[in-house]
Parts: sequence; structure tokens; C-alpha cells
Amino acid sequence: EVQLVESGGGLVQPGRSMKLSCAASGFTFSNYGMAWVRQAPTKGLEWVATISYDGSSTYYRDSVKGRFTISRDNAKSTLYLQMNSLRSEDTATYYCRAGSPHWGQGVMVTVSS
Amino acid sequence: DVVMTQTPVSLSVSLGGQTSISCRSSQSLVHSDGNTYLYWYLQKPGQSPQLLIYKVSNRFSGVPDRFSGSGSGTDFTLKISRVEPEDLGVYYCYQGTHYPRTFGGGTKLELK
Repeated sequence: EVQLVESGGGLVQPGRSMKLSCAASGFTFSNYGMAWVRQAPTKGLEWVATISYDGSSTYYRDSVKGRFTISRDNAKSTLYLQMNSLRSEDTATYYCRAGSPHWGQGVMVTVSS
Repeated sequence: DVVMTQTPVSLSVSLGGQTSISCRSSQSLVHSDGNTYLYWYLQKPGQSPQLLIYKVSNRFSGVPDRFSGSGSGTDFTLKISRVEPEDLGVYYCYQGTHYPRTFGGGTKLELK
């Protein structure tokens, strides 16, 4: 069974950093492109970043470019999202996604003083 | 950025009835490899999104044949027949052809 388990969320002050992790199991992690998708409270889905299966290519939405870094460790079957210079508008539930079909349960990030 | 416009924003349907959701993109979603990376997701209350349809018209594993996707280029439709209680939630279209990837605004399906 495919499982994606996010961790690392919580409350953080504006301007500070936070790192999310997504532990994958039940499939060959190194074969899949991975993505982070977020959802602000009561809002729709918003793509954040994508990384290729081998980590050689990364893509970001403009609003996080230069602040967020997506990375992966295929030996550990784990996806990461390093978030720096956090803003209140980054407050959301962050989901990791494997390929197109597989989603984690999400982790909440609240940016507030 | 490719804008994905979903209509309607909300739908009220009777159990056993049929309905459809439209999704229009501001640019063609035909990729240079010839595929059209248009997906449909359903997000049930309190849950993560789940994939229903991939590449316009292909049902994902385990998705009932009550769900069907169609369209091409910039104009796409999700049809749901014989609506059941477990179909309720918010439907999103999503394009995986262009960066940045974009979602439609969502269509909330409710019971009449």
C-alpha cells in the first residue's frame, strides 16, 4: 500500500524557517516525480513545487521561488521542503504528492506572530 | 500562467442523478510529447484529494465507471452519472502540461 506521511509542520513566526518531510513507502520512490501542493484554510489547491525522479530538475511557483527549496533523498525514500523567510500567506496545509495519484494526509503550517 | 476556469462553482444534485463540470484552460494543454495532461481530483470533506481521471479521459484504478472525462485542447468536462452520497465534495481540474502547474478553483457538489 502506498503511504506518504508528512511531518515538520506547526506554528512559526514570520520571517523564520521550517522544513517539511514526507516519508514514502509502498512504492519505488526513486521512480516518481514528487510535488508539494498546499491549501490555505477554506481555499482551493495550489501547486508549490515539483522535483524530478532523480532530483536533477526542480520547479517552483513564483511566490515561493528563492524562499523554498524542494529536495529528495532516494536512499531514504523521503521528500523535503525547506521553507525560509516565511510569510503569513504561506499558512496552509501542505500535501506531498507522488506522480499524479498518490497524496499524503497533509501537514499544517501556520505562519503567525 | 495557465488559468483553469471551472464552472459551475457549486452544484446541487439528486441522488441517482447526473451532472457535469466544465474546465477551460487559457492555453492548450497539449504537451510537446502529444499527451494532454489534464486531471480531475475529488476532495471529500476532511480528506486529501483523490485522483479520478488522468490525461483527460482515463479513469484511475478503482474509480467507478460513473465518472467519465472528455475534451481536448482547452475545453474539458467531467461527467458524473448515478450520483451517490460518496461523490459529494469539491472537484478540481488540474493541468500538468505547463509550469507553473495550476488547479481550477473547484466545484462543490452538494445534495439537493
